[in-house]
Amino acid sequence: QKEVEQDPGPLSVPEGAIVSLNCTYSNSAFQYFMWYRQYSRKGPELLMYTYSSGNKEDGRFTAQVDKSSKYISLFIRDSQPSDSATYLCAMVNQAGTALIFGKGTTLSVSS
Amino acid sequence: DGGITQSPKYLFRKEGQNVTLSCEQNLNHDAMYWYRQDPGQGLRLIYYSQIVNDFQKGDIAEGYSVSREKKESFPLTVTSAQKNPTAFYLCASSISTGGMKETQYFGPGTRLLVL
Repeated sequence: QKEVEQDPGPLSVPEGAIVSLNCTYSNSAFQYFMWYRQYSRKGPELLMYTYSSGNKEDGRFTAQVDKSSKYISLFIRDSQPSDSATYLCAMVNQAGTALIFGKGTTLSVSS
Repeated sequence: DGGITQSPKYLFRKEGQNVTLSCEQNLNHDAMYWYRQDPGQGLRLIYYSQIVNDFQKGDIAEGYSVSREKKESFPLTVTSAQKNPTAFYLCASSISTGGMKETQYFGPGTRLLVL
């Protein structure tokens, strides 16, 4: 079983839709969870960073961590064409010695 | 403007040739990283450095070498021993105090192609 699993998509939605992006993981030692957004042929940029379980909201974005299920989600409300990108989940163990990335989900928002 | 710059944007390598990718940051970060990204794959760590004149191998260091002579610079050499070098290479930096828990800021990347 891979440490981090992420459905690569592609995921296509109309403008204004609510988008749900997800990752599952197998290592219970992961404590820090991140979502990066990567536009085509660009470097990733950090969107959300959460610690342990719970929700974190920033504008149209909400990150959710369910440690009991080893499942994290990123929700995008009122999606815009500018949200079209690849979204990478990433997670870090408690000791801070390993950062593991998912393969990324490609999202396309049509106007 | 503070940030990370990578050059060149595109690089072509001939068979048996060593090539060097440049990464410079003016964020005053202690830690720097090199990742490789293949199509449909997540980022894989090649090398990282938490302090000048010191660096550690990541998960896929074979066929690559690095140096860290200055805080702001972390060049990556792709040697002829790397048999499948075609990929998108990303450099990142972070404040090093928390290790991998610290937010990493990425450069724009270099795309390496083999002729």
